[in-house]
Amino acid sequence: GIQVEQSPPDLILQEGANSTLRCNFSDSVNNLQWFHQNPWGQLINLFYIPSGTKQNGRLSATTVATERYSLLYISSSQTTDSGVYFCAVTNNAGNMLTFGGGTRLMVKP
Amino acid sequence: DARVTQTPRHKVTEMGQEVTMRCQPILGHNTVFWYRQTMMQGLELLAYFRNRAPLDDSGMPKDRFSAEMPDATLATLKIQPSEPRDSAVYFCASGLVRLGRGRNSNQPQHFGDGTRLSIL
Repeated sequence: GIQVEQSPPDLILQEGANSTLRCNFSDSVNNLQWFHQNPWGQLINLFYIPSGTKQNGRLSATTVATERYSLLYISSSQTTDSGVYFCAVTNNAGNMLTFGGGTRLMVKP
Repeated sequence: DARVTQTPRHKVTEMGQEVTMRCQPILGHNTVFWYRQTMMQGLELLAYFRNRAPLDDSGMPKDRFSAEMPDATLATLKIQPSEPRDSAVYFCASGLVRLGRGRNSNQPQHFGDGTRLSIL
C-alpha cells in the first residue's frame, strides 16, 4: 500500500515563529488532507489539497503531486497551534485515508 | 456546519463486556469509515461502507469486531468480547465519493470527535 512519511516528528517553537511541516508519499494520490489533532484529541480538517496551494489565515499548504510531497506552513505560531499535525492520503485505487506518523508541535509562550 | 456525531465520547468497561460505538455521518455523505488510533499503530482503518454496504473490513479482527450500517443515519462498531488491547480512540469519518471509470472522485473526509475506549 501507499506509504506516508512526515517530518520532523517533533518540533518546538517559540510563539511568533514560522515553521514548515513536510509530508512525502510513495504513490500518486487522489486525495490529500492535513489535520490538526488538538490536545482534546479532536481531528480538525485544515486542508483538502490533492494539488496546488491553499491558504487559510496563518496556515497555508502546497502539494506538488508530480514530486509526491506536500508542505504545511504555519506563520506567526501561537500556543493554540500546539498538537499533532497529520497528513493523510488516498491513492487512485482506494478510498480510505492512509495517515502519516504525524508531527508533534509544541509552541511555547 | 454539518458534523459527524459519535457516541459515547468515553467508555470504560471490564474485559469481556460488549462495547457498542455509534456514529451519525453527515447527511448526504455516501461513505462511512471507522478508524482506530493507538500510540503504537497510529491511525489505521478498520472498515468502511458505501451506500450502507460494507466494502472493506480487512483491518478489523473478525472474531470479535463487527461493523454495521442499519440505515443511512447510523453506523455501529461492536466489540464482543472486549479485551484490554482494544483500548484506543475510535474515530468515525464520512465523505462523499463519486465513482468514476478507473478513478474515483474523493471529497474530503470529515471526522467525529472519537470514542475513547478503556478496557480494564
